[in-house]
Amino acid sequence: DTAVSQTPKYLVTQMGNDKSIKCEQNLGHDTMYWYKQDSKKFLKIMFSYNNKELIINETVPNRFSPKSPDKAHLNLHINSLELGDSAVYFCASSQGHRGWETQYFGPGTRLLVL
Amino acid sequence: AQSVTQLDSQVPVFEEAPVELRCNYSSSVSVYLFWYVQYPNQGLQLLLKYLSGSTLVESINGFEAEFNKSQTSFHLRKPSVHISDTAEYFCAVSVQGAQKLVFGQGTRLTINP
Repeated sequence: DTAVSQTPKYLVTQMGNDKSIKCEQNLGHDTMYWYKQDSKKFLKIMFSYNNKELIINETVPNRFSPKSPDKAHLNLHINSLELGDSAVYFCASSQGHRGWETQYFGPGTRLLVL
Repeated sequence: AQSVTQLDSQVPVFEEAPVELRCNYSSSVSVYLFWYVQYPNQGLQLLLKYLSGSTLVESINGFEAEFNKSQTSFHLRKPSVHISDTAEYFCAVSVQGAQKLVFGQGTRLTINP
C-alpha cells in the first residue's frame, strides 16, 4: 500500500564505489523527483522527470545519473562516491509539474560514504 | 529566482501552548506556497498549501497559515500544540511554470510536556 517506496533504506559504502537507489510510486503520477537532504536538513531538488523525460537537472555532478524506465519508477545511480555525497536522498512524485501539485515523498535513503 | 527563509531553526514550546513558525519568501511573480512536515525518520508530507483565493488556509490537524502578499510571508500557526506535533516543518514556494519546489531551511518544533 506504500505510495512512494525507496530501496534501500540505508546504504553504507566506501569512497569510490558505485551505488544505485530505486524508487517506485503506485499513485499513477506522471512526475517524479529526486531530492538531497544534507546534514543540516536542507532539502534541494536534484532531478525531475515527467513521463520518463528529464525536465529538471539542477547542476548536479554528472556522477549522478537518473534513469526512468517507466513513469512509475525513477532510479538514481551514483558513480565514484565521495564523502560529500553522504546525505538522505528522497524520491517524490506528483500528478503533473505545473507548480501547484502536492508532492508525495518516499521514506528516504540514508547514504553514508566512508 | 524564488527563495524561502525560515527565520527560526528551532522552536521549543510547552504542550498546549500556541506556536508560530515564520516563513518569508522572495519572488518577482505570483507564487504557490506550501508547508510540509517531516516526522522523525520519515519523508515529508503536505500539511497545507495556498494556491489562490482565501489567504487563510487550514490543515486537518489544527494548523493554519496566512498568505500575506505585502509582507511576503506565509507563517504557520497552531493555537494549542500536542506532543505529536514534534517534527521538522518546511516552508516551500513554487511559481507557475517553474516546475519545482524551493524549500526553506526547516524549523524544528520541539514540544515539552
